Amino acid sequence: DAGITQSPRHKVTETGTPVTLRCHQTENHRYMYWYRQDPGHGLRLIHYSYGVKDTDKGEVSDGYSVSRSKTEDFLLTLESATSSQTSVYFCAISESSGRFSTDTQYFGPGTRLTVL
Amino acid sequence: KNQVEQSPQSLIILEGKNCTLQCNYTVSPFSNLRWYKQDTGRGPVSLTIMTFSENTKSNGRYTATLDADTKQSSLHITASQLSDSASYICVVYSSASKIIFGSGTRLSIRP
Repeated sequence: DAGITQSPRHKVTETGTPVTLRCHQTENHRYMYWYRQDPGHGLRLIHYSYGVKDTDKGEVSDGYSVSRSKTEDFLLTLESATSSQTSVYFCAISESSGRFSTDTQYFGPGTRLTVL
Repeated sequence: KNQVEQSPQSLIILEGKNCTLQCNYTVSPFSNLRWYKQDTGRGPVSLTIMTFSENTKSNGRYTATLDADTKQSSLHITASQLSDSASYICVVYSSASKIIFGSGTRLSIRP
C-alpha cells in the first residue's frame, strides 16, 4: 500500500461521539485525500490537502473536518458521529493533483467505521 | 453534470475466459482516465492511466481503451485468473480539479 497506513483499521462508536481517523504516509507526497466508500456509490471525496495546513473541501464534507500539521499526517475528524457516517474511509496520496499530470494516486488499506 | 457510469454492475465468468468492462463518462473538461482494481477489504490500486491522446494502454493481461470522441473507455481482461476477482473502478480526472469515480464493476472468476 505504497507506504500509507491508516489507524484505526476498525472502529465502532456511538452516535454523538467525536471520532478521529489518522492517515500516515512515508512517501513525502504533497497531496493527501480522504474518501468514503459506500455500497452503490463510487468513492466520494471528503477533504483533501495540498500541503501542510493547506486543505480544501470535497463533495461530501459536511460533518467532517481535517487537519494537516505535518507532511506525513492527515487527520479526519467527525465532530459528532451520526449513523449516516457509517462507511469505509480511505486515505490516498499523490505527488501532484492529477489535474494535468498522470501521476498515480495511492490508496491506504481503509478504516471501517460503524456508528451505532 | 459530471458523471462516470460503469457497466455491468457485476459479472461472473469462468477462469481462463476473457471479459470487457465498460465506462462511459460525461466529465468536462477532460484530463485523464484511470482504471483501478480493488480487492475485497483493500484500497484501490492503479492499473492504467490514459490521457486524451492515448487510445490504448496495456498492463499485462489488462488492456484499456479510450475513445475521447464518444467518451467511452473499456477494460479488457485476457485469460482471466482467480486473482482477477475484484472490483474495477473507472476514474475520470477533470482539468477543473475534479476527480469523478464510477461505482465499479464487481468481477467474479469461477474455477
